[in-house]
Amino acid sequence: DTEVTQTPKHLVMGMTNKKSLKCEQHMGHRAMYWYKQKAKKPPELMFVYSYEKLSINESVPSRFSPECPNSSLLNLHLHALQPEDSALYLCASSQGLAGGRAKNIQYFGAGTRLSVL
Amino acid sequence: SQQGEEDPQALSIQEGENATMNCSYKTSINNLQWYRQNSGRGLVHLILIRSNEREKHSGRLRVTLDTSKKSSSLLITASRAADTASYFCATDPPAAGNKLTFGGGTRVLVKP
Repeated sequence: DTEVTQTPKHLVMGMTNKKSLKCEQHMGHRAMYWYKQKAKKPPELMFVYSYEKLSINESVPSRFSPECPNSSLLNLHLHALQPEDSALYLCASSQGLAGGRAKNIQYFGAGTRLSVL
Repeated sequence: SQQGEEDPQALSIQEGENATMNCSYKTSINNLQWYRQNSGRGLVHLILIRSNEREKHSGRLRVTLDTSKKSSSLLITASRAADTASYFCATDPPAAGNKLTFGGGTRVLVKP
């Protein structure tokens, strides 16, 4: 099973709402990622979890709050977002450093299309 | 920040033709990967080439790597309409942890 599952597929929220994006993988991967992608642009890294600990935060605003409840799950909690936060949010996973440098192949979910009104 | 730049930004070809796209990067790397993204979907890993390799093949894909020029190319031979997608190179610099840095991408349109 090489699948990363993201829910929901689409989300529309107001600027005062609180919502969460969810990501799940059952490949035994120990590194998980959140990316933000605008149209016709490459994915921009937001957060990296390695062995369930936050290892990289790319100076993301605090209105985005990641959580890794266990090695298979990754959440992104959203609060007080701005219209410019509308984007495709992608989750990915990889074996992590224990798999060796050459094993940093990332498996992506299909994404959550987020619209902030 | 974006490590790689891709060229061209967009490419339109007829089915059966070859498609070539290039990626340049700035720092030393452990390896370089290519990913494909169909419209509005997640990225799919295509191929990984290590810094000590010069060329690698996978089916209709051929990747080259020139570390002296800090550049890579991806060739898709005998393209099909299903190859229509955006293609991204991604680099894995030393001491970057698990981080990949993606290039700007090349949008490829294969016309039937």
